[in-house]
Amino acid sequence: DVKVTQSSRYLVKRTGEKVFLECVQDMDHENMFWYRQDPGLGLRLIYFSYDVKMKEKGDIPEGYSVSREKKERFSLILESASTNQTSMYLCASSPPTGTTNEKLFFGSGTQLSVL
Amino acid sequence: AQTVTQSQPEMSVQEAETVTLSCTYDTSESNYYLFWYKQPPSRQMILVIRQEAYKQQNATENRFSVNFQKAAKSFSLKISDSQLGDTAMYFCAFNERGSQGNLIFGKGTKLSVKP
Repeated sequence: DVKVTQSSRYLVKRTGEKVFLECVQDMDHENMFWYRQDPGLGLRLIYFSYDVKMKEKGDIPEGYSVSREKKERFSLILESASTNQTSMYLCASSPPTGTTNEKLFFGSGTQLSVL
Repeated sequence: AQTVTQSQPEMSVQEAETVTLSCTYDTSESNYYLFWYKQPPSRQMILVIRQEAYKQQNATENRFSVNFQKAAKSFSLKISDSQLGDTAMYFCAFNERGSQGNLIFGKGTKLSVKP
């Protein structure tokens, strides 16, 4: 079965800390995504990657960076965590564009609290 | 810019009854996909149904069906014979064909199924 795994379900960090959120997929997908989910705002795209070492900004990239050194792993980095980054973070992957199964597969989310 | 609008923040339905969730979208593209995702309390996003814009026939998946009105840019989800396990957040989403799986999400509708 298809699997997208996020390393932590819950995370509590202090303001100013550097935070790493890890995501691994086992489907050999080219595309990987990081979304942020907030009540009343839905899901908003932070960054995505369509290949190893490639990255594209989404709608809300400020305060975040990403790393994709291997195809299966996509990391979201908060360089200096702030309280307004308290949120649910969802990782997703998808097969190459143009395939008949074009859709997102999601991890189960990381609820990050920044105190 | 493409947008997705879900006008019903919350809805409730009695078990075994039928409920319809609304979604409208805005795009100038002619070739795209539409999705309904379900997010139960477990937080795992699950694809409910997918519609390709060039197909006139409405997609169905067991108790779930859509009413796709391309000219009106409307994509509603009908859930028949509602079950307690249908209680979840439902997100409507859109992506252009060839956009590398980058979905644009609505803000969600919280559906409660009451016994």
